[in-house]
Amino acid sequence: RKEVEQDPGPFNVPEGATVAFNCTYSNSASQSFFWYRQDCRKEPKLLMSVYSSGNEDGRFTAQLNRASQYISLLIRDSKLSDSATYLCVVYTDKLIFGTGTRLQVFP
Amino acid sequence: DAGVTQSPTHLIKTRGQQVTLRCSPISGHKSVSWYQQVLGQGPQFIFQYYEKEERGRGNFPDRFSARQFPNYSSELNVNALLLGDSALYLCASSDPGTGYYGSNQPQHFGDGTRLSIL
Repeated sequence: RKEVEQDPGPFNVPEGATVAFNCTYSNSASQSFFWYRQDCRKEPKLLMSVYSSGNEDGRFTAQLNRASQYISLLIRDSKLSDSATYLCVVYTDKLIFGTGTRLQVFP
Repeated sequence: DAGVTQSPTHLIKTRGQQVTLRCSPISGHKSVSWYQQVLGQGPQFIFQYYEKEERGRGNFPDRFSARQFPNYSSELNVNALLLGDSALYLCASSDPGTGYYGSNQPQHFGDGTRLSIL
C-alpha cells in the first residue's frame, strides 16, 4: 500500500464548478499535512497547510480527519487558472508526496 | 528576494557517467532538501541537510550523495548513472520551524534540473 494515495484523475470540470480531491495516508503517526499545486513542467508550490480543525483560503478549503487518515481539498467556483496537478503531502519522518490529482477546468 | 535557484536547468548524460547538481536556498533558510520526480509521479525525498549535516535520507542507493556548504548551498551527486535516473531533480529550502530541522515545514522549491540519461 502506498504511504499517500490520491486519485490520479484527470478531473475535467467546467468553470464555476466545485471539485473535491481526496487523499489517504497510511501512517497514523504523521504530523503535518499540506496541499501543493504543480503546473505542467514546473516546480510544486505550496497551496495550503492542512490543520485538524479544517482551514479555508478564499475558494479553497482543506480538511483533515486523523481518525480516518484522510485529507481533502475543496475548490469552489473553479477558474481556468486552477488547472494543474494537486499534490497531497504528508510529513512523518520526511515529506511524502502523493502522485497528484490532475485538474482540467474548461470554459 | 531571490527564490531557490538550481543549476543547470537541463542536463544530458550517458549511462555510467557522474553528475553534480547545485542549489542555493532562499536567503535565511538553513534547511535544504533534494527530491527526485519521475514523470507522472510525485516528488520522492532523497536527502535533507541542515547546518551542513545530513538530517534525513530517503530510499535511494549509495550512488546518490549530497553535501551542504557553510553558505547553506548544496550539491547533489549521482554516480554511475542509470537510465532510470532520468527525472526532474528538485531542491527545496525551508525555515527551521520548531523542530525536525525544518523538514516538516512548507518547502520552497526551485525550478529543478531536468536530467536525461541516454
